[in-house]
Amino acid sequence: KNEVEQSPQNLTAQEGEFITINCSYSVGISALHWLQQHPGGGIVSLFMLSSGKKKHGRLIATINIQEKHSSLHITASHPRDSAVYICAVPNFGNEKLTFGTGTRLTIIP
Amino acid sequence: NAGVTQTPKFQVLKTGQSMTLQCAQDMNHEYMSWYRQDPGMGLRLIHYSVGAGITDQGEVPNGYNVSRSTTEDFPLRLLSAAPSQTSVYFCASSSGTGGRSPLHFGNGTRLTVT
Repeated sequence: KNEVEQSPQNLTAQEGEFITINCSYSVGISALHWLQQHPGGGIVSLFMLSSGKKKHGRLIATINIQEKHSSLHITASHPRDSAVYICAVPNFGNEKLTFGTGTRLTIIP
Repeated sequence: NAGVTQTPKFQVLKTGQSMTLQCAQDMNHEYMSWYRQDPGMGLRLIHYSVGAGITDQGEVPNGYNVSRSTTEDFPLRLLSAAPSQTSVYFCASSSGTGGRSPLHFGNGTRLTVT
């Protein structure tokens, strides 16, 4: 089973700060997922990436396949970015995903 | 296009009762899955299906049953509810398997077993 570690577990920042959330995994993968879970509970897929970098608005996701590491960056953070951010990776050779425990981000106005 | 629809949103059961959590998607996705989310733990896979008529167990299948008679629907049945099944349940679908396609989640069902 692919082991997934996210850091930090909790992050509080002031509005406007640059945010970085990290995800490391143990086994080589085809793609890594970043998800966002708002306080209301719904989960939304942000990115799926297998190499390099992807950008959507103020969110940027990068992945280093050799180092088995991915980062999620938020530029010009805003209170509405407050959520739990979760990374997930597939287990090699099967259909199942392993999820990290999430990073709880709080942006203070 | 509603995406993934889960019902109910909240449910309280007594120990030993049974119930079915409903999940439906209108995106013609082959892959559907059920997860439970508990405090301090990542989402854990209960059961999944790669197409109509095909289901398989995930990481924590005990106490749950599934079936997939149509592409659209993937209900999760609790056979005899136990307090350990108190959790938030999410249904998800994707067009591909093995984590190679984006996941679409339902809004979750918060289940309490007393």
